[in-house]
Amino acid sequence: DAGVIQSPRHEVTEMGQEVTLRCKPISGHDYLFWYRQTMMRGLELLIYFNNNVPIDDSGMPEDRFSAKMPNASFSTLKIQPSEPRDSAVYFCASSSLFKGGTEAFFGQGTRLTVV
Amino acid sequence: GQQLNQSPQSMFIQEGEDVSMNCTSSSIFNTWLWYKQDPGEGPVLLIALYKAGELTSNGRLTAQFGITRKDSFLNISASIPSDVGIYFCAGGILGSSNTGKLIFGQGTTLQVKP
Repeated sequence: DAGVIQSPRHEVTEMGQEVTLRCKPISGHDYLFWYRQTMMRGLELLIYFNNNVPIDDSGMPEDRFSAKMPNASFSTLKIQPSEPRDSAVYFCASSSLFKGGTEAFFGQGTRLTVV
Repeated sequence: GQQLNQSPQSMFIQEGEDVSMNCTSSSIFNTWLWYKQDPGEGPVLLIALYKAGELTSNGRLTAQFGITRKDSFLNISASIPSDVGIYFCAGGILGSSNTGKLIFGQGTTLQVKP
């Protein structure tokens, strides 16, 4: 299996622009997670899905952030409009219900820089 | 909300030394996991623990699930330069409405001097 695939790996955008991050989870996994990593706050869970349904979005910082999972093999995290404080590494992870959904496998991340 | 306290925050050791780090919580978890993150990469799962008191090894790594369910420990024996990275603990709850959700510690940065 190719693992969790995220794109793009790096994104530089201007403040106010829309940013879309993409994720392809591991085939057969039931859970999909979006995390944000910064030096100050560490790894923060933004939102997670089970069987394509959002379960907990309490970590989404503001209405500017939205996430979708239209099918089992694809998810997006959108920031509109983007701000410099959104600069971070965003990780997507997936896991399987077989292990209670806890053994999450991470993608390589998208490093977002908003200037 | 739930928080994990991971210590130490950073370690600088000599190659060949053993390393210990731990994670504590004010809440009970019924699963503990340990991850390692290399620069520019995502965290990689090292060890998963599912039972209080469980002791599990993966090569030179050994992790334990504390009896109180509020802590976990990771030991690395005979460290080598490639052990360098950030180690994260994570706690999760199975069989609840939050099944699947992981809470991560702040990480322990390990540096190994050859």
